[in-house]
Amino acid sequence: QVQLVQSGAEGKKPGASVKVSCKTSGYSFTSYYIHWVRQAPGQGLEWMGIIDPRGGSTTYAQNFQGTVTLTRDTSTNTVYMELTSLKSEDTAVYYCARVLRLGGNYYGLDVWGQGTTVSVSS
Amino acid sequence: DIQMTQSPSSLSASVGDRVTITCRASQDITTYLAWYQQQPGKVPRLLIYAASTLQSGVPSRFSGSGSGTDFTLTITSLQPEDAAIYYCQKYNGAPWTFGQGTKVEIK
Repeated sequence: QVQLVQSGAEGKKPGASVKVSCKTSGYSFTSYYIHWVRQAPGQGLEWMGIIDPRGGSTTYAQNFQGTVTLTRDTSTNTVYMELTSLKSEDTAVYYCARVLRLGGNYYGLDVWGQGTTVSVSS
Repeated sequence: DIQMTQSPSSLSASVGDRVTITCRASQDITTYLAWYQQQPGKVPRLLIYAASTLQSGVPSRFSGSGSGTDFTLTITSLQPEDAAIYYCQKYNGAPWTFGQGTKVEIK
């Protein structure tokens, strides 16, 4: 079955970087865009960006321009999210999610990773 | 960027009640709208896409409607397991913005 399995929780100090992985399985990796979504404690969902695993092209939300980088490894069917210059406000659960694709069109996010908690504290 | 605004922010209803949540886009998004449910401590789950199409496996008491800028998510006959936060999301191009969420509590 389709699965997105994320790496484990991370604890970082302010100013550091974190790289979260999202290993996919059960489908054609290069056929579905992967999105990243953040959820701060007690807050709503915040869209971060998207990567096309086929060519590696990316689009980022304005709030994350310059601090987030999405990459992929087609040999391991894994997508990575790196967040730099961490601040305490980056403490959150980070999700990867696969786009729902039907007949060549895209319709929301139908499969989600389990989430990775990133804690930023001095 | 297009903003997504949900109302109400929270509501409390009894089992068996009909519940309606609204989502308003700041610009026309035709039907490029999805609804998600996030139960406490769980991962978001896609309920509805294309504004009104029920995702596979989602109970039929959930329904969506609307187009353009105004959308609704309706739960007919609210069940205890429907206690959750519900989010709308537009997907007619980046950014795929979420609404701020609507918390549904069971009385």
